[in-house]
Amino acid sequence: ETGVTQSPTHLIKTRGQQVTLRCSSQSGHNTVSWYQQALGQGPQFIFQYYREEENGRGNFPPRFSGLQFPNYSSELNVNALELDDSALYLCASSRAGQSSYNSPLHFGNGTRLTVT
Amino acid sequence: GESVGLHLPTLSVQEGDNSIINCAYSNSASDYFIWYKQESGKGPQFIIDIRSNMDKRQGQRVTVLLNKTVKHLSLQIAATQPGDSAVYFCAENGKLIFGTGTRLQVFP
Repeated sequence: ETGVTQSPTHLIKTRGQQVTLRCSSQSGHNTVSWYQQALGQGPQFIFQYYREEENGRGNFPPRFSGLQFPNYSSELNVNALELDDSALYLCASSRAGQSSYNSPLHFGNGTRLTVT
Repeated sequence: GESVGLHLPTLSVQEGDNSIINCAYSNSASDYFIWYKQESGKGPQFIIDIRSNMDKRQGQRVTVLLNKTVKHLSLQIAATQPGDSAVYFCAENGKLIFGTGTRLQVFP
């Protein structure tokens, strides 16, 4: 069983730029969630995708957007990067259905984004 | 590797002792709770979960207790080992809210 993989592992961008982070879900999982984890904090929910549609969103501005593909891989896009966007971005997949959050998440090891 | 939780509450225990990590959750309507372990440089790893129709669940060396009256979760680790050193998060469903975490340090 292949776990959740994320790419790249590290990334440095300049304020104002755009970034795309990628995630490959664990096999058999149909739901993907993205989290932002600042240093010393717990993961903060950005959004979740199910059947290629956004299925719940946390308190993040619209410049954070995502895509889920038919093979359940996913992208997180962030436009107009700000210094505070520097964080570890975690992708997690699960078998949760459209209206259920009642399945454990399986996390990748994240992408460390640094905005200068 | 990635450093997680530099300023988190810390629990220090001696190898072989039992550990208890506590968590207060916020939403009384939450009905599913999970404990995760995050080692430096890695994503959170699922440890154990519990649904609100239970007040206790046991796994291998771990037990989760749920007190819905006071919205409190605890994770008990028996015979703590050096490999248990990590940051531990509780998470509740709904908006998949994570707590701020507790760092567990195991010393010989």
